[in-house]
Amino acid sequence: DGGITQSPKYLFRKEGQNVTLSCEQNLNHDAMYWYRQDPGQGLRLIYYSQIVNDFQKGDIAEGYSVSREKKESFPLTVTSAQKNPTAFYLCASSIALTLAGAYGYTFGSGTRLTVV
Amino acid sequence: QKEVEQNSGPLSVPEGAIASLNCTYSDRGSQSFFWYRQYSGKSPELIMFIYSNGDKEDGRFTAQLNKASQYVSLLIRDSQPSDSATYLCAVSGGSQGNLIFGKGTKLSVKP
Repeated sequence: DGGITQSPKYLFRKEGQNVTLSCEQNLNHDAMYWYRQDPGQGLRLIYYSQIVNDFQKGDIAEGYSVSREKKESFPLTVTSAQKNPTAFYLCASSIALTLAGAYGYTFGSGTRLTVV
Repeated sequence: QKEVEQNSGPLSVPEGAIASLNCTYSDRGSQSFFWYRQYSGKSPELIMFIYSNGDKEDGRFTAQLNKASQYVSLLIRDSQPSDSATYLCAVSGGSQGNLIFGKGTKLSVKP
């Protein structure tokens, strides 16, 4: 079955540590996205990519970095510069950036990151 | 700043009743509208989408769109306790081609 796989499901980060969240899709989608969800805050866009080797900052990119070396993979690194990283992180994909409005997104199951 | 507004709730309805969830959006140019259901601790799941003014029905769910009023709603008929979740409204038209999400309405269906 096609879908998006996020790992790990739970992640604990120590102060000053960088951590990487994995996102892999086998839907053959061109566009991929990272969102952060905090209680009562809705979904906030961190980064998005419409094609391999290309990605753009979203609304809250500071303290995060991404790469898109393969169409299937879009990992997110939460750096030590992100001062309040505790949140639920969601990876999503769509057929193409320009078609997101036509078909919507498919979401992965999410990674819950906690600072300890 | 393009916005999507939803009442955060919680909206509480008895089992078997109709639940009505509402959403307004600021960008008159938005063309596509989506409803996602999100169970606690889980990721959003697409349940309905609508592009044209009027009603669209799928089983117990009906999406309603009024572009003149910039208003979209989701009706859930014969509500079940398993419908208890947060419902996210999403609208096309983000500056980066992305969807814009509301903060969600929490629905609680009481047995």
